[in-house]
Amino acid sequence: DAKTTQPNSMESNEEEPVHLPCNHSTISGTDYIHWYRQLPSQGPEYVIHGLTSNVNNRMASLAIAEDRKSSTLILHRATLRDAAVYYCILRDRDNYGQNFVFGPGTRLSVLP
Amino acid sequence: EAQVTQNPRYLITVTGKKLTVTCSQNMNHEYMSWYRQDPGLGLRQIYYSMNVEVTDKGDVPEGYKVSRKEKRNFPLILESPSPNQTSLYFCASSFSAGLTDTQYFGPGTRLTVL
Repeated sequence: DAKTTQPNSMESNEEEPVHLPCNHSTISGTDYIHWYRQLPSQGPEYVIHGLTSNVNNRMASLAIAEDRKSSTLILHRATLRDAAVYYCILRDRDNYGQNFVFGPGTRLSVLP
Repeated sequence: EAQVTQNPRYLITVTGKKLTVTCSQNMNHEYMSWYRQDPGLGLRQIYYSMNVEVTDKGDVPEGYKVSRKEKRNFPLILESPSPNQTSLYFCASSFSAGLTDTQYFGPGTRLTVL
């Protein structure tokens, strides 16, 4: 079972910031929070991951709540190419090799 | 270019006709995995391999076989395909199964079983 909950869909205007939320209230201390996205007709691709501290990379930022029960993926300026399904995934030590569980994700639409 | 390749990309077959979907990665990754993606069910793991000759079942292994004789290749075998195996299949690889390792996905294989 997916251990995360995300809104089914969100909409944004081009060139505006987008905040994609994820709840993971049962997260354990050693779980990493990963975000992947799936562009139309493609396989999922890595976006970002973190454990406790906020993280930034060239694609996005990840803001992690102090209690780690939620996180937010931030796209600073959405482009049309960012329209995709975004998956928030917890990776944990249980089921070591089998720890990639994809939920339904959030479908992001970007309006021109 | 670092990549995961799958072949074929599209396949239409008939019930019971054995088929193999190939997966190859050029990144010297130890960990490889197969997923299927179905509308409303998302991505589900079929089998994974931690290294050469080491494979294990994922969430939905019934009706599938895999082998890992070489590090770069991880074929998915359907010995007797059935219509309920019609799906979009993705192969993925990562350096290891470590909690911070990035998984790289192939472009997908769309399989239709009539």
